[in-house]
Amino acid sequence: GQQVMQIPQYQHVQEGEDFTTYCNSSTTLSNIQWYKQRPGGHPVFLIQLVKSGEVKKQKRLTFQFGEAKKNSSLHITATQTTDVGTYFCAGRNYGGSQGNLIFGKGTKLSVKP
Amino acid sequence: GAGVSQTPSNKVTEKGKYVELRCDPISGHTALYWYRQSLGQGPEFLIYFQGTGAADDSGLPNDRFFAVRPEGSVSTLKIQRTERGDSAVYLCASSSGAGGVADTQYFGPGTRLTVL
Repeated sequence: GQQVMQIPQYQHVQEGEDFTTYCNSSTTLSNIQWYKQRPGGHPVFLIQLVKSGEVKKQKRLTFQFGEAKKNSSLHITATQTTDVGTYFCAGRNYGGSQGNLIFGKGTKLSVKP
Repeated sequence: GAGVSQTPSNKVTEKGKYVELRCDPISGHTALYWYRQSLGQGPEFLIYFQGTGAADDSGLPNDRFFAVRPEGSVSTLKIQRTERGDSAVYLCASSSGAGGVADTQYFGPGTRLTVL
């Protein structure tokens, strides 16, 4: 079945350093979503990318969707301790149901002050 | 309500028992989703409702798992003959249903199920 792979699994950074997580799908996606889950919390929607090559920014966060719509990345500039958590990408296949999001395993980010 | 609520927050049961997990979506949301999240993993899709009907139940692992949403609001996930491998956090999410695949899903806090 379809898989969404995410790397790295863990990332430890010093506050102020940049952070990037990468997401790769075995199949072409209709769209991809990114979520953040704080320790002990639940996933919180960050953004959705739909178009090939799309780039979206939210303050220090930059999201990209690959030209082939099979990969995506999330980049955080100048990390802060509030960025701590696990970042998940979730993809949806063409023809897939509205509900059937395939999540990656996530990248757990820790930030040392 | 202000957000998606789930009860109970924690459920400990013995192998072979039956459990029910409840989800109360955001008021007015027609779409409701159930996921299961094991430690160190991303959420795994189980089932999706649009209104009262299950629009996609392809993620239910076997026939021990069943979910209902009789009035198109609250949903109950039912697990029969629980097994230790069913231990996980069960997450519920809802969305307005108006945007189709562009809908934003809002997650509840989850129910942590432990099967002894």
